[in-house]
Amino acid sequence: NAGVMQNPRHLVRRRGQEARLRCSPMKGHSHVYWYRQLPEEGLKFMVYLQKENIIDESGMPKERFSAEFPKEGPSILRIQQVVRGDSAAYFCASSPERNYGYTFGSGTRLTVV
Amino acid sequence: KNQVEQSPQSLIILEGKNCTLQCNYTVSPFSNLRWYKQDTGRGPVSLTIMTFSENTKSNGRYTATLDADTKQSSLHITASQLSDSASYICVVSANDYKLSFGAGTTVTVRA
Repeated sequence: NAGVMQNPRHLVRRRGQEARLRCSPMKGHSHVYWYRQLPEEGLKFMVYLQKENIIDESGMPKERFSAEFPKEGPSILRIQQVVRGDSAAYFCASSPERNYGYTFGSGTRLTVV
Repeated sequence: KNQVEQSPQSLIILEGKNCTLQCNYTVSPFSNLRWYKQDTGRGPVSLTIMTFSENTKSNGRYTATLDADTKQSSLHITASQLSDSASYICVVSANDYKLSFGAGTTVTVRA
């Protein structure tokens, strides 16, 4: 079991471009959570998904951000028209049950130039 | 507002010495408290998890304590090693799936 896999590890985008971050949960995990970590700050909850369903997206900005977890394939966090303030580390976690057994990926570091 | 405050922000210790990190929280209701270790450029890795009824839990040289009445927790590192250099994050869970993260304590172990 390779753990939670996130790719790419590093992503550089120019302002206005789109960023797509991928997260493959651990085998057997159907719950996925995305967190954002700004420099010198703790991780902040963004969105919680189960297969094909968004359970809670209350931590996600209302515009430009979207997330999905399709029946097949990884979970995707999409940021449209990126701005410099989107530069951060984005972490994905998965669990076999809600609020139990979290495992984090190594994160994607997004830099907007 | 659910908050998790950690202290100190950073500390430097000599290899072989012990240290204690502090965590105060205001998260309510309370489900569990976790300590994570995050190496630079990596995701957080769980060290311990404690529920309301537990007041101490160990994982090798790491020992966490919890006082649910005063809403305080500590993480004690015994006989530190160079590989202990990392950020240690206190994470508190309410009765749902949202974790509240502290900003972390950066520990640097020097030979």
